[in-house]
Amino acid sequence: SQTIHQWPATLVQPVGSPLSLECTVEGTSNPNLYWYRQAAGRGLQLLFYSVGIGQISSEVPQNLSASRPQDRQFILSSKKLLLSDSGFYLCAWSVLRGRSGETQYFGPGTRLLVL
Amino acid sequence: RKEVEQDPGPFNVPEGATVAFNCTYSNSASQSFFWYRQDCRKEPKLLMSVYSSGNEDGRFTAQLNRASQYISLLIRDSKLSDSATYLCVVYTGGFKTIFGAGTRLFVKA
Repeated sequence: SQTIHQWPATLVQPVGSPLSLECTVEGTSNPNLYWYRQAAGRGLQLLFYSVGIGQISSEVPQNLSASRPQDRQFILSSKKLLLSDSGFYLCAWSVLRGRSGETQYFGPGTRLLVL
Repeated sequence: RKEVEQDPGPFNVPEGATVAFNCTYSNSASQSFFWYRQDCRKEPKLLMSVYSSGNEDGRFTAQLNRASQYISLLIRDSKLSDSATYLCVVYTGGFKTIFGAGTRLFVKA
């Protein structure tokens, strides 16, 4: 069965510090991978998605970046965090299934607080 | 207009009650539909897919009305453990999946 891991679970960082969040998927090959952010009491905002190694699409221009160095590894980074980067970061994977569309499965998330 | 809209609630219901949530979507070309459940401070988890003919999974029934562009979720015989936020999710094609902001449900003893 497929599993998805994210770490760290929680993180407190000062404004202006760098960020690196990691996500790995097991039990599947060539998944689509996604990074979302959820602000407190709000919906999910898609940040990046990737359909393969080195292929990254950005949905929201901001100070975050993503990379996919391996098939089942997805990394979210920032060189300098802003207060507004605080939130719950979720990694998800999916496999498109033709006309059945796409079901996404989420990792446990990283709760980031920027002070 | 938001692409997926839900009543944020909260819905406060007693145990054993029946509760229904609705969701509307704006893209008439949307291809598939889902309900996810999100517990407090946890990740969203797939509850069920929604099919045009309607579908049931135990106490949960989902309906899709393509003509009116809305999706519903009915929970019968509510349990305390049903307390959560329910997310309406619409797949519009390609790599675009839209998550609603969610409807909060509190089931009280």
